[in-house]
Amino acid sequence: NFMLTQPHSVSESPGKTVTISCTRSSGSIASNYVQWYQQRPGSAPTTVIYEDNQRPSGVPDRFSGSIDSSSNSASLTISGLKTEDEADYYCQSYDSSAPVVFGGGTKLTVL
Amino acid sequence: EVQLVETGGGLIQPGGSLRLSCAASGFTVSSNYMSWVRQAPGKGLEWVSVIYSGGSTYYADSVKGRFTISRDNSKNTLYLQMNSLRAEDTAVYYCARVNLNWGQGTLVTVSS
Repeated sequence: NFMLTQPHSVSESPGKTVTISCTRSSGSIASNYVQWYQQRPGSAPTTVIYEDNQRPSGVPDRFSGSIDSSSNSASLTISGLKTEDEADYYCQSYDSSAPVVFGGGTKLTVL
Repeated sequence: EVQLVETGGGLIQPGGSLRLSCAASGFTVSSNYMSWVRQAPGKGLEWVSVIYSGGSTYYADSVKGRFTISRDNSKNTLYLQMNSLRAEDTAVYYCARVNLNWGQGTLVTVSS
């Protein structure tokens, strides 16, 4: 099975832009969709990006997703950072032998 | 509006059994991929099990042979039967419509 590796933590100031990476250990990142989940402290996860770059209704367009085959990684970019974006973010993907694989999560601090 | 509501968590002794339920509204469980995901205290998300729309089921190695995922189409409800529970199964259990919607979670504590 493959693994998804995320940075443990990132921090940025309000109003700035931050990018969180998610690197796939084996197999092509482009072969299977990537999802991104936001989990605020004490709350359940919510989906902010599905199928690489799709936003569920209600998710602001400050959130965007992309994949980069050259680095075999996916990225979540949040622009115009707000204090309410402070949360843990998880990437997730799958393949034929692993129905659901999560990254370890990235703690975003907006300071 | 899509909603997922989990119930059935609680305190259980090691070796015991528990059945979690996830009542869905706003969509049809049987037409979607549905999953159980857990989160141990202070840890990240861990996939537990999935049931596909066609009925195929898959499990994480850590729960294979002990947990069973199922659904009741008439009740639009997803279940997780958990047997031979261990201390390391202690976690908040979330049901999810794969890739899209999550429930609020139910806490399972395995302790004597």
